[in-house]
Amino acid sequence: DTAVSQTPKYLVTQMGNDKSIKCEQNLGHDTMYWYKQDSKKFLKIMFSYNNKELIINETVPNRFSPKSPDKAHLNLHINSLELGDSAVYFCASSQLKGAGRLLNTEAFFGQGTRLTVV
Amino acid sequence: QKEVEQDPGPLSVPEGAIVSLNCTYSNSAFQYFMWYRQYSRKGPELLMYTYSSGNKEDGRFTAQVDKSSKYISLFIRDSQPSDSATYLCAMGNYGQNFVFGPGTRLSVLP
Repeated sequence: DTAVSQTPKYLVTQMGNDKSIKCEQNLGHDTMYWYKQDSKKFLKIMFSYNNKELIINETVPNRFSPKSPDKAHLNLHINSLELGDSAVYFCASSQLKGAGRLLNTEAFFGQGTRLTVV
Repeated sequence: QKEVEQDPGPLSVPEGAIVSLNCTYSNSAFQYFMWYRQYSRKGPELLMYTYSSGNKEDGRFTAQVDKSSKYISLFIRDSQPSDSATYLCAMGNYGQNFVFGPGTRLSVLP
């Protein structure tokens, strides 16, 4: 069974469109994340989320928004897509340890969604 | 200076060689250090996780942290073609999101 699954695996779309990427985890984790991996392979966190707290990386444009219908799902909505949004987007999950801030050690990653904006 | 630096490679070695992968970092406050392996077209998977300085061994893999030099290493003994992947270091502090290096692409040739 896939622990963290994302759909779609590939997404090609035109500039200006709105799109969503879905993510589901069956690990029972309470915290989920979205990462962006650019063409130079840098993996940068976009959002950390559990039912208590959403942390947004301040560099993420507000065209990107996470939506969580329940703790096993964290979808990524992107409005008005731009060429620079082309990248691989990874969903991940982990179990929060201890009190306080979100922590992404031992995160389990999905297979990624390769987004191409044309 | 980038927060985490890593030679992107590619690094090609013959099967059976000892591989040394390294990262340097600038933030002396980092306490947690991880190595992830990423196969082509797949998500990263956690290999090793260490806290503060010292060594940690797991099978053919050894992670070393030298906080005084702000330098971490991953050694792979008896490398196999199945070890061919990109290796990403990541580091940070408790309660904070981690920073990833860009990864080193490794090819182990049969």
